[in-house]
Amino acid sequence: SAVISQKPSRDICQRGTSLTIQCQVDSQVTMMFWYRQQPGQSLTLIATANQGSEATYESGFVIDKFPISRPNLTFSTLTVSNMSPEDSSIYLCSVEGRRGTSDNEQFFGPGTRLTVL
Amino acid sequence: AQKITQTQPGMFVQEKEAVTLDCTYDTSDPSYGLFWYKQPSSGEMIFLIYQGSYDQQNATEGRYSLNFQKARKSANLVISASQLGDSAMYFCAMREGRRRDDKIIFGKGTRLHILP
Repeated sequence: SAVISQKPSRDICQRGTSLTIQCQVDSQVTMMFWYRQQPGQSLTLIATANQGSEATYESGFVIDKFPISRPNLTFSTLTVSNMSPEDSSIYLCSVEGRRGTSDNEQFFGPGTRLTVL
Repeated sequence: AQKITQTQPGMFVQEKEAVTLDCTYDTSDPSYGLFWYKQPSSGEMIFLIYQGSYDQQNATEGRYSLNFQKARKSANLVISASQLGDSAMYFCAMREGRRRDDKIIFGKGTRLHILP
């Protein structure tokens, strides 16, 4: 299985500031996915990040609000910009199963719990 | 339109009974995969089971089995002999396409409560 770490694990931020969340994977992966889980809700895909190209955003999410970097095959960052209380959520990084294995699972990081005051 | 529909927001089940969590999906892609994840109160996403659209047999993993009815576009999760530790949120999800790096979308989830 893939081991995914995220930093920070949680944070409390002031309205109007920005937070960058880091995602590190223990193996090279093509795609990294960023999800948001608002309180009591399901996971919503924010964007898909491919190394060396701009991220692909889902409907309702824009690059200015959620800029993503993908500098190499094991690392990505998601920035939540100009935060408001509505951005309070858990943000999860996810990757596909290892190549050359029967892993059909999509693996998830432990999440970053963000509270915006 | 919803691609993944979970019609049971919450369920209460007696310990040791079997549980069926419903999931229907909507896709026109002949190649797709269906997933079930468990999310306990700790928040981690725990993979339970996977079913590919071309798989001939229903997937099973220990106490978990997936009742795959392709014509009905249904992929219900069955948990046999439920345990207190099964209390959690359960998400059905789908990946359209053949590639493992295609995105996965999630249903709204079912909160399962196992009663002692």
